Amino acid sequence: DVKVTQSSRYLVKRTGEKVFLECVQDMDHENMFWYRQDPGLGLRLIYFSYDVKMKEKGDIPEGYSVSREKKERFSLILESASTNQTSMYLCASSLVYPAVMNTEAFFGQGTRLTVV
Amino acid sequence: GENVEQHPSTLSVQEGDSAVIKCTYSDSASNYFPWYKQELGKRPQLIIDIRSNVGEKKDQRIAVTLNKTAKHFSLHITETQPEDSAVYFCAATRYTGFQKLVFGTGTRLLVSP
Repeated sequence: DVKVTQSSRYLVKRTGEKVFLECVQDMDHENMFWYRQDPGLGLRLIYFSYDVKMKEKGDIPEGYSVSREKKERFSLILESASTNQTSMYLCASSLVYPAVMNTEAFFGQGTRLTVV
Repeated sequence: GENVEQHPSTLSVQEGDSAVIKCTYSDSASNYFPWYKQELGKRPQLIIDIRSNVGEKKDQRIAVTLNKTAKHFSLHITETQPEDSAVYFCAATRYTGFQKLVFGTGTRLLVSP
């Protein structure tokens, strides 16, 4: 029962390309997040959104933008891909007002992006 | 904003030993502290969490403790098993509302048979 789905598992793009990473959740969650995961650096927050058309910068937003036109979909955009954006990208979603038993943030399977 | 530090970055134990992972947070408004486990090649999944109105929570072999005054919380795994080998992430956030979910840098736990 897949709850958070990322559009690609692996992606190879060229330097300077515009890259779109898509994330869809089917749990009616308000919060959605984009992280990048690098060895030794953990999960670093790029952007998050708590509602349609709302977005907030995370800790490393430079070089990225996001779009949330529908509640279930949160897109990460690399305007001009660079080699230092080669990484694993993880999307997650959660409820804004969870009950005791549904506090979990659910993650997608990840997209490994390589920029050459 | 919130900043979460996690130690150690790697931890090797023998099967049956206990393992402890420690985290500190900076934002006193944070009141919810989840722990996620990420097995190799898989997505992170919640294993236990604690809210700031309690000091300790247990679930079978895992427990989490929270010291609000010192702003640190810890994950304790007893009687470790090889299947506990994974990367563990702590996080700090607010339980409700429009919250950033900020993670620590992760601890790679290796349990040797």
